[in-house]
Amino acid sequence: QKEVEQDPGPLSVPEGAIVSLNCTYSNSAFQYFMWYRQYSRKGPELLMYTYSSGNKEDGRFTAQVDKSSKYISLFIRDSQPSDSATYLCAMDSSYKLIFGSGTRLLVRP
Amino acid sequence: DGGITQSPKYLFRKEGQNVTLSCEQNLNHDAMYWYRQDPGQGLRLIYYSQIVNDFQKGDIAEGYSVSREKKESFPLTVTSAQKNPTAFYLCASSIQESQPQHFGDGTRLSIL
Repeated sequence: QKEVEQDPGPLSVPEGAIVSLNCTYSNSAFQYFMWYRQYSRKGPELLMYTYSSGNKEDGRFTAQVDKSSKYISLFIRDSQPSDSATYLCAMDSSYKLIFGSGTRLLVRP
Repeated sequence: DGGITQSPKYLFRKEGQNVTLSCEQNLNHDAMYWYRQDPGQGLRLIYYSQIVNDFQKGDIAEGYSVSREKKESFPLTVTSAQKNPTAFYLCASSIQESQPQHFGDGTRLSIL
């Protein structure tokens, strides 16, 4: 079993939809949780960084962490075609980050 | 602008050849990392360095080597011992370990 599981998608939604992206993990020692966005042929770009259970909002993006269920989510409101990318979750493991394999999102105009 | 610069963007390797990928950062970060990204497999850690003149193997270090002679620079050499080098290579840095990492735009390595 992988330490971090993420549905690879692709996830296709119409413009304006609310998008929900999720990761589950098995290691209860993870303390920091991140979401990255990666466009084709580019490096990942940090979107959200959270520490504790609960919600963190930044513009159209909301990151949610539920440590009791070992489950994290990223919500995108009013999705735009420019949000089409691969979204990677990541969690800290002492000296390194453990990444999910990424979910490909396509927002249709 | 602060950031991470990887070069070249595309690189081709002949059989039996060593190639070196460049990574430079001007973020004044202590920690630097090299990842390999293959389709459907996410990012896998090759090597990381927490301070100058020190580095450790990651999960898939075989066939790779690194150096960290300057804080700003962390070059990766893909040696001829790496039998399946075709991949997208990403360099990252962070203020310290377990903090958010910032990535360059990668080098795509292919075999001729």
